[in-house]
Amino acid sequence: DTGVSQDPRHKITKRGQNVTFRCDPISEHNRLYWYRQTLGQGPEFLTYFQNEAQLEKSRLLSDRFSAERPKGSFSTLEIQRTEQGDSAMYLCASSPPGGSYEQYFGPGTRLTVT
Amino acid sequence: AQTVTQSQPEMSVQEAETVTLSCTYDTSESDYYLFWYKQPPSRQMILVIRQEAYKQQNATENRFSVNFQKAAKSFSLKISDSQLGDAAMYFCAYSRRGGATNKLIFGTGTLLAVQP
Repeated sequence: DTGVSQDPRHKITKRGQNVTFRCDPISEHNRLYWYRQTLGQGPEFLTYFQNEAQLEKSRLLSDRFSAERPKGSFSTLEIQRTEQGDSAMYLCASSPPGGSYEQYFGPGTRLTVT
Repeated sequence: AQTVTQSQPEMSVQEAETVTLSCTYDTSESDYYLFWYKQPPSRQMILVIRQEAYKQQNATENRFSVNFQKAAKSFSLKISDSQLGDAAMYFCAYSRRGGATNKLIFGTGTLLAVQP
């Protein structure tokens, strides 16, 4: 198992453009999380999937953000009409079913909006 | 709402010495988990140690141990025999046990430098 992977690792975009990030969790992990981390801060929760169902969205997730997890496998996070304030590291984490509370993080996608 | 506070933005320790990183949290829940995560420069976050709130015994993982004071809502990390590879950002995190999502709430982190 190669762990949680994220693609792309870096993305530079111009303000107003749409971007999409992908996360591939560890196989058989049914729980998937997205977090956002800005410089000098800890990660902040964005959204959570259990299998294909999106069970929670943070208030940080404005209507320009949308996330999906079709078939309960990989997940995508799309940001429409990007703003400079969207510049951050976007982290994905997954967790196995059952009582484990440990989350395994991917390397993140660093977004820069110019 | 639950909050996690790390009051030490930066810490430094000599190689082979011991260092303690501080963390306090606020919650009205009685059952939860606390974690320390390590984020090396340009590398992904990894779990260092985990503590269940219902366990009185402090967790230990090799050179890493915690001092969990539930009444004081304090959760410090002690790193013994510090190594150069311990240099990283350390985040304290909280997760409610039995919640619907088990999302993590992080502190702002402590940047640990290890001096040779």
